[in-house]
Amino acid sequence: GDSVTQMEGPVTLSEEAFLTINCTYTATGYPSLFWYVQYPGEGLQLLLKATKADDKGSNKGFEATYRKETTSFHLEKGSVQVSDSAVYFCALSTTNRDDKIIFGKGTRLHILP
Amino acid sequence: DAGVTQSPTHLIKTRGQQVTLRCSPKSGHDTVSWYQQALGQGPQFIFQYYEEEERQRGNFPDRFSGHQFPNYSSELNVNALLLGDSALYLCASSSGQGDQPQHFGDGTRLSIL
Repeated sequence: GDSVTQMEGPVTLSEEAFLTINCTYTATGYPSLFWYVQYPGEGLQLLLKATKADDKGSNKGFEATYRKETTSFHLEKGSVQVSDSAVYFCALSTTNRDDKIIFGKGTRLHILP
Repeated sequence: DAGVTQSPTHLIKTRGQQVTLRCSPKSGHDTVSWYQQALGQGPQFIFQYYEEEERQRGNFPDRFSGHQFPNYSSELNVNALLLGDSALYLCASSSGQGDQPQHFGDGTRLSIL
């Protein structure tokens, strides 16, 4: 079945470091791909999405590119801040309305000042 | 404009009991999806309601049931509670047209003793 695999955490970085969180997927057809973020004490928020191959989603300095050939959607940010500390979920959807989301297990990110 | 609201925030039950969780969707949304997020895991899709009918269902037993009301609000019912049902239950709303991303509520934390 459809699934998402992302790197295990926690990931600990210093402020202004470069961030990569790896994500690969298995799906039939052409899924939409997402990164969601869960800040401490808050609900899930959509961070960015991409709906077709080679699309790049971006938001708040984060980027991810839909790579169909490697079935990957790695999350990157050039210079992280303490406020980026959160749990990040890679996810996919194969429905037309993108409303049945399959999530990875999440990666906890700690940014040290 | 209120987002997705869930009640209660926390709930404690014992094995064998039944529980009802409630969700009010974001204004303008008519579709409600429910997810279960166990500790340290990503959310798992339970089911989705649209036009007061269950439209999609994930891999959850019949003990999990739901309902959607004419005002689009929804309930999640779980019967014969098991220890393994302890989790954060998330509600997400979206438009049936699929032209907007899902919005998640802050969840109900259910603990089974």
